Amino acid sequence: EVQLLESGGGLGQPGGSLRLSCAASGFTFTSYAMSWVRQAPGKGLEWVSAISGSGVSTYYADSLKGRFTISRDNSKNTLYLEMNNLRGEDTAVYYCAKDGLVATLGEFDYWGQGTLVTVSS
Amino acid sequence: DVVMTQSPLSLPVTLGQPASISCRSSQSLVNSDGNTYLNWFQQRPGQSPRRLIYKVSNRDSGVPDRFSGSGSGTDFTLKISRVEAEDVGVYYCMQGTHWPITFGQGTRLEIK
Repeated sequence: EVQLLESGGGLGQPGGSLRLSCAASGFTFTSYAMSWVRQAPGKGLEWVSAISGSGVSTYYADSLKGRFTISRDNSKNTLYLEMNNLRGEDTAVYYCAKDGLVATLGEFDYWGQGTLVTVSS
Repeated sequence: DVVMTQSPLSLPVTLGQPASISCRSSQSLVNSDGNTYLNWFQQRPGQSPRRLIYKVSNRDSGVPDRFSGSGSGTDFTLKISRVEAEDVGVYYCMQGTHWPITFGQGTRLEIK
């Protein structure tokens, strides 16, 4: 059974940093691209970032302007999102989603339960 | 970016009646590999999104057959043949053909 378990959310200060993790199980992690998708309170879904199965290729939404970094540790079956220079508009539930063999096609057949990031002073 | 426009944004439906959600893209979603990467997701209240339909019309495992997807090019539809109480939630279309991946605004389905 595929499982994705996010952690690391919480209260972040404006201008501060947070690191989100997503522990994956139930599939061959290294074979699949992964993505982060966020949802601001009461709003719709917004794709944030993707990474290839090997970790060599990464993709970001233009709106992030270099503040976020996606990475993965295939030896630990874990996906990460390093969030820097946090802004109020980053407040959202962050979901990790399993993608396909190719990143950026948005297969998203499995999603985690999400982790809430609140940016506030 | 490809803009995904859903209609209606709110959909009150009587139990047992059909429902239909439209999704239109600002560009054709036919990929260079011949596939059309248009997915539909359901998000029940308080839950994570769940994929229902992938590549326009392929139903995911465990998805009831009352859900169906159709369309081509820029015009797509999700249909529910007979709405049940468990179908309440927000439905999103999403395209993966063009970078970046973009979602529709969501359609909130409620029971009348």
